Amino acid sequence: AQSVTQLDSHVSVSEGTPVLLRCNYSSSYSPSLFWYVQHPNKGLQLLLKYTSAATLVKGINGFEAEFKKSETSFHLTKPSAHMSDAAEYFCVVSGNYGGSQGNLIFGKGTKLSVKP
Amino acid sequence: DTGVSQDPRHKITKRGQNVTFRCDPISEHNRLYWYRQTLGQGPEFLTYFQNEAQLEKSRLLSDRFSAERPKGSFSTLEIQRTEQGDSAMYLCASSSRATIETQYFGPGTRLLVL
Repeated sequence: AQSVTQLDSHVSVSEGTPVLLRCNYSSSYSPSLFWYVQHPNKGLQLLLKYTSAATLVKGINGFEAEFKKSETSFHLTKPSAHMSDAAEYFCVVSGNYGGSQGNLIFGKGTKLSVKP
Repeated sequence: DTGVSQDPRHKITKRGQNVTFRCDPISEHNRLYWYRQTLGQGPEFLTYFQNEAQLEKSRLLSDRFSAERPKGSFSTLEIQRTEQGDSAMYLCASSSRATIETQYFGPGTRLLVL
């Protein structure tokens, strides 16, 4: 069965410093992995996705993630945090090979706080 | 706005009442998904449709829950005899044939059962 584990429930950084949100996955096949962001009172927005192409994936708003099969990790990073990055971030794995069955499996989320 | 829309955005009901939520997917997206998100948790998959066919249902979807997508466009999710444990955010998402795995989410319907 597929699953993701977000290693930190809450991360706090200062504005202008790097962001690292950690995610480990478990999958019986080469997975498709995603990061979504959820701002308060707003819908989930796709930040980036990995689907077995380049292992370093660039997303929106300066975020990127690196797929490391040997470590079963898909950590999200950003060189310099902005106040507007404060939100809840979800690491997600596709529930079935190739997404044929459709369901996404979400981690429990990491709340990112950005201090001025 | 061409995104996924959901109605209502908020619903307060008394235990035992029935409620119905609506989701309008992105135009021409053939797949539509329902998820439930409780406080402090990530969304959990409930069910999904390909066109009008309901292809998968999670064990979370008890007999009190029913979902339809009669014409392959909008979908409704009905909860009968609501319980306090049904209080959650109900999220809808859609995806296209070209990018099946990329799901676009609506703003959600927040349900509170008193």
